[in-house]
Amino acid sequence: AQKITQTQPGMFVQEKEAVTLDCTYDTSDQSYGLFWYKQPSSGEMIFLIYQGSYDEQNATEGRYSLNFQKARKSANLVISASQLGDSAMYFCAMRGSGGGADGLTFGKGTHLIIQP
Amino acid sequence: SAVISQKPSRDICQRGTSLTIQCQVDSQVTMMFWYRQQPGQSLTLIATANQGSEATYESGFVIDKFPISRPNLTFSTLTVSNMSPEDSSIYLCSPGLGGHNEQFFGPGTRLTVL
Repeated sequence: AQKITQTQPGMFVQEKEAVTLDCTYDTSDQSYGLFWYKQPSSGEMIFLIYQGSYDEQNATEGRYSLNFQKARKSANLVISASQLGDSAMYFCAMRGSGGGADGLTFGKGTHLIIQP
Repeated sequence: SAVISQKPSRDICQRGTSLTIQCQVDSQVTMMFWYRQQPGQSLTLIATANQGSEATYESGFVIDKFPISRPNLTFSTLTVSNMSPEDSSIYLCSPGLGGHNEQFFGPGTRLTVL
C-alpha cells in the first residue's frame, strides 16, 4: 500500500517568488512513480510532472521541477517565478510497481494562493 | 494526450435515484480508473475497469453501489446507485493510456444529491 503526506494545507506566496510544495511518501515497492497535479477552482485535474523511482535526474517541465530525494522519500514540487494563475489546489500522488495497471494514491493537497 | 470527455458535466439528483456517468476517450485504452472527490477532499480510487473482465473495487466501494461497464476500449460508465447526500462529489474517470509516466483525467462530473 502507498501513502502520500502533504503537510501544508494552505500557502500564501507573493507573485514572482518561487514556491516549494512538500510531499512525502511511503511505499514498500521498489519501483514506483510520483505525480503532481493542479486543480483550479473549475475542478479539472491538470497533470504537471512525473518522477520515476529509478530516474536519476529530477524531472522538470517548464516552470515546474520536482525535487526528488529518494532516501528521504520526498518529492517536493518547485514552481519558479509564481504567477497569479498558479493559484489552485495541488495534489501529490503516486502509484506502485504495477505501473499503468495501478491507480493513483493521492495526498490531501495544498491550497496555494499567489498574492499580487 | 488523449481527449477525454464525461457526461453529464454536472447534475442535481434526488436521494434514492441513480445516475450513470459516461466517459469517452478518443483512443483505445485497456484500463479505466474511476475516482471520487468529496467536497474539500482529495481523490479516492473507486475501481479499476479492465475491458473484458469484472471491475476491481477498492476497499469501501462495492459493485452494487457503483456498477461499472466497459462495453469497448474507448468507453466506460459508472453508475451511482440509490444515491444519498453523502454521494455528492466530483466523479472523474482516468484512462490508462499505456504510458506509465503520465495519467490524465476527464473533466469530471459534479454531482449534488438532495
